Amino acid sequence: DAKTTQPTSMDCAEGRAANLPCNHSTISGNEYVYWYRQIHSQGPQYIIHGLKNNETNEMASLIITEDRKSSTLILPHATLRDTAVYYCIVKLIFGTGTRLQVFP
Amino acid sequence: GAVVSQHPSWVICKSGTSVKIECRSLDFQATTMFWYRQFPKQSLMLMATSNEGSKATYEQGVEKDKFLINHASLTLSTLTVTSAHPEDSSFYICSASGAGPYEQYFGPGTRLTVT
Repeated sequence: DAKTTQPTSMDCAEGRAANLPCNHSTISGNEYVYWYRQIHSQGPQYIIHGLKNNETNEMASLIITEDRKSSTLILPHATLRDTAVYYCIVKLIFGTGTRLQVFP
Repeated sequence: GAVVSQHPSWVICKSGTSVKIECRSLDFQATTMFWYRQFPKQSLMLMATSNEGSKATYEQGVEKDKFLINHASLTLSTLTVTSAHPEDSSFYICSASGAGPYEQYFGPGTRLTVT
């Protein structure tokens, strides 16, 4: 069973921040949260991961709640090329992901 | 860095034949590789975990005699779909583990169509 739950789909205007939530209420103390995205018919692309502290890299920011039961991936300035399915995963189990549609 | 390749990118085979898919980590050594399967409009499903030099660990419901995995070196793992049937048609994706045990870098996938 998936250890994460995400909204099925979200829309975001180009240039605006996209905030993608993920619930992982059963996460264990030493398990990381990983985020990947998949553009149609390609392999998933690594975005970011974290344990308890907030993280930022050139692609995105990851905000993890203090109780670690949920997190939010933030794409600060979404572009049309960010349209993809975004997966939040714990260990190796993929949930259904969020289909993000960025519109002009 | 952290590039993973797969070969072939797509393959069409006849029912009853076997197909081998290769997964290579091009610029790092991967002690662990993972094989996933993805049906249309569905998420990735982990099939097996492959450690270099040892037998693969299969997920529940995945037939180890049908999906043969060999991880003979730190940069190569192969998945052989034996006696393929149309229901095996799917997108097969491998990943290689990086620095962390669950930090994965994915290959581009192989689309298998069994006729």
